[in-house]
Amino acid sequence: AQSVTQLDSQVPVFEEAPVELRCNYSSSVSVYLFWYVQYPNQGLQLLLKYLSGSTLVKGINGFEAEFNKSQTSFHLRKPSVHISDTAEYFCAVSDRDSSYKLIFGSGTRLLVRP
Amino acid sequence: DTGVSQDPRHKITKRGQNVTFRCDPISEHNRLYWYRQTLGQGPEFLTYFQNEAQLEKSRLLSDRFSAERPKGSFSTLEIQRTEQGDSAMYLCASSWENTEAFFGQGTRLTVV
Repeated sequence: AQSVTQLDSQVPVFEEAPVELRCNYSSSVSVYLFWYVQYPNQGLQLLLKYLSGSTLVKGINGFEAEFNKSQTSFHLRKPSVHISDTAEYFCAVSDRDSSYKLIFGSGTRLLVRP
Repeated sequence: DTGVSQDPRHKITKRGQNVTFRCDPISEHNRLYWYRQTLGQGPEFLTYFQNEAQLEKSRLLSDRFSAERPKGSFSTLEIQRTEQGDSAMYLCASSWENTEAFFGQGTRLTVV
């Protein structure tokens, strides 16, 4: 069965510093991987996705992620964060065996301090 | 197209009452998903439709929950005899086949 692990429940970082949010998944077949962002009392907004092809994926708001099949990871990175990046970030996986429904991790709260 | 819309955004109800939520997906999307999100957790899958057919239901979806998508367009999620444990954010998402899902703003349910 699929699962997604986001080990860090909260990541505090200073403004303009780089950040990495970690995501590991388990799946026995080819996967699609996603990062979503959620602001308070809002729905989820897609940041980026990996479906196939290049393992380095660029998304919106300067975020990027790298798919590492051998380590079953899909970590999210940003070289310089802004106060406005403060939000909850969710990693998700889908595959053929699950009818492509999304399985989410428990989320990582990114807290950007001035 | 304005994206996925959900109504209402907030609902407070007394325990034991029935509630119904509506989701309007992106018009050209054939798949529609319902998720539930409790505080501090990621969204959990409840059910999904391909056109008007409900293809999968999670074990989280008790008999008190029912979802419909009668014409393959909008969907409703009804909870009968609400319990305090039903308090959560209910999220709807839509997609074209197995491409990325777009989420609505959610309906926050509070059962008092």
